[in-house]
Amino acid sequence: KAGVTQTPRYLIKTRGQQVTLSCSPISGHRSVSWYQQTPGQGLQFLFEYFSETQRNKGNFPGRFSGRQFSNSRSEMNVSTLELGDSALYLCASSFSAGPEETQYFGPGTRLLVL
Amino acid sequence: AQSVTQLDSQVPVFEEAPVELRCNYSSSVSVYLFWYVQYPNQGLQLLLKYLSGSTLVKGINGFEAEFNKSQTSFHLRKPSVHISDTAEYFCAVSSMDSNYQLIWGAGTKLIIKP
Repeated sequence: KAGVTQTPRYLIKTRGQQVTLSCSPISGHRSVSWYQQTPGQGLQFLFEYFSETQRNKGNFPGRFSGRQFSNSRSEMNVSTLELGDSALYLCASSFSAGPEETQYFGPGTRLLVL
Repeated sequence: AQSVTQLDSQVPVFEEAPVELRCNYSSSVSVYLFWYVQYPNQGLQLLLKYLSGSTLVKGINGFEAEFNKSQTSFHLRKPSVHISDTAEYFCAVSSMDSNYQLIWGAGTKLIIKP
């Protein structure tokens, strides 16, 4: 089975712009979670989608949003980019949404905001 | 609030020596515990997880961890490390307190000395 894929892998944007990141989960997986990883804050949960519905949301401002499509692919959008949004954004998929489920991570999208 | 503490930011160890990476958590309810590994420029990969039952959990690549409820710890061990174990290791906890979202430790970089 193909793993979790994320596109693009690298992205450079300027302050005030918006960006959309894409995540394709492992075939058959219906849950997709997004995380932000920075040297200062470490790994932080952004949100989780299951069957096109947002199940959980982390403590991030409304500039961060996401959605999931019927084929389980997910997109994450960040509007009005700030310098502090520079980070590695990781997507993870799992078969279902239970806490015991193993999450499989993609390689991430590295976003640099100038 | 739930938290995870990885006591060491870096652990240098000689090749073929044993290693222990420490993880402590705070939670007043039952928890699920995970160790993930992140190789350079890659996403995270599950090493092992504790859901219930035996407190000694065996994972991939020869790693194991022991859940100690009284000490609220979940330390990761390997009897003999290889150069290929060079990576960053993350401990994470999930419980009702976090609405079953993963709360992550800051990570421990394992540095293997030849």
